[in-house]
Parts: sequence; C-alpha cells; structure tokens
Amino acid sequence: DTGVSQDPRHKITKRGQNVTFRCDPISEHNRLYWYRQTLGQGPEFLTYFQNEAQLEKSRLLSDRFSAERPKGSFSTLEIQRTEQGDSAMYLCASSSPPPGTGLHTDTQYFGPGTRLTVL
Amino acid sequence: DQQVKQNSPSLSVQEGRISILNCDYTNSMFDYFLWYKKYPAEGPTFLISISSIKDKNEDGRFTVFLNKSAKHLSLHIVPSQPGDSAVYFCAASCAGHDMRFGAGTRLTVKP
Repeated sequence: DTGVSQDPRHKITKRGQNVTFRCDPISEHNRLYWYRQTLGQGPEFLTYFQNEAQLEKSRLLSDRFSAERPKGSFSTLEIQRTEQGDSAMYLCASSSPPPGTGLHTDTQYFGPGTRLTVL
Repeated sequence: DQQVKQNSPSLSVQEGRISILNCDYTNSMFDYFLWYKKYPAEGPTFLISISSIKDKNEDGRFTVFLNKSAKHLSLHIVPSQPGDSAVYFCAASCAGHDMRFGAGTRLTVKP
C-alpha cells in the first residue's frame, strides 16, 4: 500500500495527557498537511510542511499543538495537556506539486485519520 | 466562521439520474475551488477542481460549475451510480494561504 498512512487509527486518552500522532506520507511527496475534523464539519486546516520546513502554523489551534517533520519524510502532531474539546479526527495529507504550484491548489492525498477521544 | 457552506446535509438520487451538490461561499477572495469525496473510515479523496478564471470544468461524469457573482459552485454527477454514495465536501482556497471546507453533503444513490 503506497498511500498515506496514519498511526494510531484510534486513540483514547484522559484529559491532561499528552498524545502524539504519526503520519507517513506517500514516498517522495514534499508537502505534508495536517487537518482536524470534528463531528458534522469539514476538515479544518492546521499546518503544513514543505519538506522539513513548517511554512504555515498560524492555524494551529493553540500552543498546546505542535508538529514536526524532522527529516522531510514522516511527520508527528503532538497535543499537550489534552482537553475534551480536542476530541476529533486528525487527518494528514501529502502532495507532490509541480514547482510554483500554490498552497492548497495541489492535489492532496489524505490518510485515513486518527480519531482522538479525550475522556 | 462559515466561509464555505453546504446547506444540504443529505441528498438522495436514483441510479442513472443526475446528482447536483451545491456549495456557497462568502469570501470573494477565494480563487480556487475543489470537491472531495469521502467514504466511511477513509480520508477524503480529491475529485475535481476549478480555478476562479473558469466557470466550468468537466472530468468524465463529474462537472463543476462556478458562478462567481453568486458566490456559488455546484457539482453535477451524471449518470449517478451506487458507488458514488459518499460524503462530498467542497473546499475553497484564497491565493494559496488557506483552505476552508464545507460541512459536507451525504449523497445516497439508490439502485
């Protein structure tokens, strides 16, 4: 399977705990996006990487959220001190657009998501 | 802030007929629009897109129409097939700075 993979698929945690999710993009895709999707809503853009550089992070929901892509391949999204309002599906997407393709105008390939439940 | 709205949470269509999914937006700065399809337990899959310089884009059974003056876009599926049953999200981006999704419309195509 050469699609985007995310791990774990489900995570249940207690309020106040830290959680980390992993995303493995399609091989050699240089862009990687993180989104959050709450029940009954569409995905909400959080942040994106061009290779290892995090070029947009102003949409991260709070300073409890952070993301890394240390070697320009896989990425992690960490939520510290989780709150019940963090319960959602966290989606990762990757793309490999031609040079000069604008952000969000590329074809993004989404993973299946990590469903987080904070008790 | 609901800059992209899909006002119909669900749509049911008979197989072979046309499905029309609608989407409205409020931000006139949006210049690129996309439709995604989502099956249960899977991530969204890109379907079709359109730039604001066009008013129509067609790909097989799928056609997207853009009416900039009305800030409205629609996705037409002709003919509809049972395998098209899924949740459809429209999305809009603004000069590559952000992308906003609608809440989705669940399409059911009945055999």
